[in-house]
Amino acid sequence: LAKTTQPISMDSYEGQEVNITCSHNNIATNDYITWYQQFPSQGPRFIIQGYKTKVTNEVASLFIPADRKSSTLSLPRVSLSDTAVYYCLVGDFYNQGGKLIFGQGTELSVKP
Amino acid sequence: GAVVSQHPSWVICKSGTSVKIECRSLDFQATTMFWYRQFPKQSLMLMATSNEGSKATYEQGVEKDKFLINHASLTLSTLTVTSAHPEDSSFYICSASGAGGRGTDTQYFGPGTRLTVL
Repeated sequence: LAKTTQPISMDSYEGQEVNITCSHNNIATNDYITWYQQFPSQGPRFIIQGYKTKVTNEVASLFIPADRKSSTLSLPRVSLSDTAVYYCLVGDFYNQGGKLIFGQGTELSVKP
Repeated sequence: GAVVSQHPSWVICKSGTSVKIECRSLDFQATTMFWYRQFPKQSLMLMATSNEGSKATYEQGVEKDKFLINHASLTLSTLTVTSAHPEDSSFYICSASGAGGRGTDTQYFGPGTRLTVL
């Protein structure tokens, strides 16, 4: 399983766009990239998933360059309620049964 | 869609007793379920992977005789912490994924169960 590296913490202000970058230099051909959000004492919540280029949904965008060695989660116009830990994960659903290994995540703090 | 529930949400027990935690996929069939443990201020640690109708696969360092996992149906997996001790106190989280091998099979997580062993 590819190891991921993210900043431990980030600070932002309400209304700003936040970009969290994750490095996964050893990503394999079958690996997908998934981002989760976790609030204290809750299970992680799925945000977005992608394989290459750009993926956008109602809450975030995911940018993946051609070499796929990194990915960037973009949160537009964050609010106080976006304060949480964000995890970037890489998983091979064909050969690992979808097994995911969590890194330390990025603790995002949004200030008023 | 893709809702996973856990029961109970919290439990307090005496040392030496066994505790069972249920994980259910409410609106999809989960061929694979995962159990994680999370200590305060730490990340999730994968404990085991279970596939419906077969034995669970445990991660290195996780005692399979202490953490019994049963995945009897496509919507239910249970984790039993046997002879619980205070060091087993933690936040236990399950996740479920649908038909495997599709390449984009997302894991959806339950809300977690807080176990406190006195």
